Amino acid sequence: SQTIHQWPATLVQPVGSPLSLECTVEGTSNPNLYWYRQAAGRGLQLLFYSVGIGQISSEVPQNLSASRPQDRQFILSSKKLLLSDSGFYLCAWSPPSSLSNQPQHFGDGTRLSIL
Amino acid sequence: GENVEQHPSTLSVQEGDSAVIKCTYSDSASNYFPWYKQELGKGPQLIIDIRSNVGEKKDQRIAVTLNKTAKHFSLHITETQPEDSAVYFCAASGGTYKYIFGTGTRLKVLA
Repeated sequence: SQTIHQWPATLVQPVGSPLSLECTVEGTSNPNLYWYRQAAGRGLQLLFYSVGIGQISSEVPQNLSASRPQDRQFILSSKKLLLSDSGFYLCAWSPPSSLSNQPQHFGDGTRLSIL
Repeated sequence: GENVEQHPSTLSVQEGDSAVIKCTYSDSASNYFPWYKQELGKGPQLIIDIRSNVGEKKDQRIAVTLNKTAKHFSLHITETQPEDSAVYFCAASGGTYKYIFGTGTRLKVLA
């Protein structure tokens, strides 16, 4: 069966510091991968998605970037964090892109606090 | 732009009663509608989904109905139990990779 792992679970960082959040998926090949941010009391906002290694699409222009160095690895980064980057970050996967409208499955997220 | 409205934002029911959460979408091209349950400190978990060629789908105590003409869909939970307490999200997708999520409903099941 497929599993998705995110780490760290919680992170406290000072303003202006760099960020690297990692997500890996097991049990599937060539998944579609997603990064979301969830603000308190709100729905999920899609930040980036990827349909293959090195292929990244950005949904919202911002201080963050994403990379996919390996088939089942997705990384969310920032060179300099802002206070507004605080939030709950979720990684998700769905079956390969040849299938449309497939369910997305989420990891347990990283709670990021910027001080 | 594309939008999904979800109501109510909070819902309290007595254990054993039914709970209904409603969502309305704006993009008429939407054809896939998943529902997620999120417990505190966890990621959302898919609990049921429905595609536009189906009007209703059931899975034990959970059912989802879809009215394409009115562009709304609903989650029904029967015989609610304390472990059903969580935040529930609806979403709509129109054949792309992008889901549009509702803002969530906090369900409390009172014992």
